[in-house]
Amino acid sequence: GNSVTQMEGPVTLSEEAFLTINCTYTATGYPSLFWYVQYPGEGLQLLLKATKADDKGSNKGFEATYRKETTSFHLEKGSVQVSDSAVYFCALKYGGADGLTFGKGTHLIIQP
Amino acid sequence: EPEVTQTPSHQVTQMGQEVILRCVPISNHLYFYWYRQILGQKVEFLVSFYNNEISEKSEIFDDQFSVERPDGSNFTLKIRSTKLEDSAMYFCASQTGVSSGANVLTFGAGSRLTVL
Repeated sequence: GNSVTQMEGPVTLSEEAFLTINCTYTATGYPSLFWYVQYPGEGLQLLLKATKADDKGSNKGFEATYRKETTSFHLEKGSVQVSDSAVYFCALKYGGADGLTFGKGTHLIIQP
Repeated sequence: EPEVTQTPSHQVTQMGQEVILRCVPISNHLYFYWYRQILGQKVEFLVSFYNNEISEKSEIFDDQFSVERPDGSNFTLKIRSTKLEDSAMYFCASQTGVSSGANVLTFGAGSRLTVL
């Protein structure tokens, strides 16, 4: 079946540090890939997405590139802020009514 | 910006009681979903709903669960006889059927269910 694996957290960084959160997936065919973010006490918000190989999704300074050869979709940001502290979920989805398959989530803590 | 609305935000119930969680999806969306997140754990798919019927459901979605779209705007999740392990945050999501927004789920803020 399909699955998503994310690096274990929590990840603790200082403000302005470079961020990478690893995500790899197992799937048949070519799903769309997503990063969702969950801020404390809130629901899930779409951060960025990529729908085919070599696509780069980007939003709010975050980027991730759909790498078919390594089945990866790592999340990166050049300079993190305290406000980026949240739980980040990598996910995949096929078309139509198919639901999202989520990874376990990575808790990111940014210290001033 | 259109949003998915869920009520209640928090419900406390006794074990064995029936619970109905309500969702108002975005008005022109065609696909509807329920997910749950047990505290500190991953977000798990429960069920998807399209064209007034269940499209797909997970192993979690057993006979104690049901979904309904009673009036063309609300989308409800019913748990017939709650168990302690049903305590979780339940998220509703919806998706448009048109290609420009297809494959992107918009989530509500969640309903926290506490079973005592």
